[in-house]
Amino acid sequence: DQQVKQNSPSLSVQEGRISILNCDYTNSMFDYFLWYKKYPAEGPTFLISISSIKDKNEDGRFTVFLNKSAKHLSLHIVPSQPGDSAVYFCAGQWSGTYKYIFGTGTRLKVLA
Amino acid sequence: NAGVMQNPRHLVRRRGQEARLRCSPMKGHSHVYWYRQLPEEGLKFMVYLQKENIIDESGMPKERFSAEFPKEGPSILRIQQVVRGDSAAYFCASSPNSGHQETQYFGPGTRLLVL
Repeated sequence: DQQVKQNSPSLSVQEGRISILNCDYTNSMFDYFLWYKKYPAEGPTFLISISSIKDKNEDGRFTVFLNKSAKHLSLHIVPSQPGDSAVYFCAGQWSGTYKYIFGTGTRLKVLA
Repeated sequence: NAGVMQNPRHLVRRRGQEARLRCSPMKGHSHVYWYRQLPEEGLKFMVYLQKENIIDESGMPKERFSAEFPKEGPSILRIQQVVRGDSAAYFCASSPNSGHQETQYFGPGTRLLVL
C-alpha cells in the first residue's frame, strides 16, 4: 500500500529553468510533509517542509505547494542548478506519529 | 557540529552471520529513528528509540531484528542470521525533541550486502 507516490522516476531540466517535482498521497490523515534530497552514497538531506494548515512554503530557490483537496504536493526549484541533480524524496507524517512515510523518489538531472 | 554518524559505511556478511549497525546521533539529539531502503524503493521506517527506550518498533520485522539505544554509546541495529533479502541501505536519523513535525536529520547510511 503506497501511501506516498512519486509517479515520475526521473526528470531532466536545463540549467536556469524551473524544476517541478510532484508527489501524491492517499492518506488523508497526513498533516505534515517534507522534501529530502539525496546524493548517491549519502543520506537524505532535509530541504523544506510544509504543514497542512498552509498551502505554500518558500525557502530561497525552493518552494513547496500543497493542494489538500487533490492530495498533491509539488516542489519547485528555480532557477535549477547542476548541483541540484539528485534524487528527491517526499514524505508525509500524521499527527501522533513519529515516522515518515516516503515516496520512491524522483531522480532530477539538471543539464548544464 | 558533527552530523549523524553511522558505521560501518559498508558491511558484507555471509548468510547466517550477524550484522551490527551503529548510529551516533547529532550532539544534543536524544531521539533516533532507523529506516531501511531496498533497491529502487523509498525509505521505510523501522524503529524509533529514545535513550534506553523503544518507543515505536512497528516497522521492524518480527524476527532476527532488534534495536537498542543505551544510556551511553551509540544506537545499535542488530540483524541476526542475515539472509540475502536483508541487503539494503540502512539509515539512521536523529532529532532533538520528540513529537510531530520534528525534522529528522539523516546519517550517511550503512550499505549491507549479504552474500
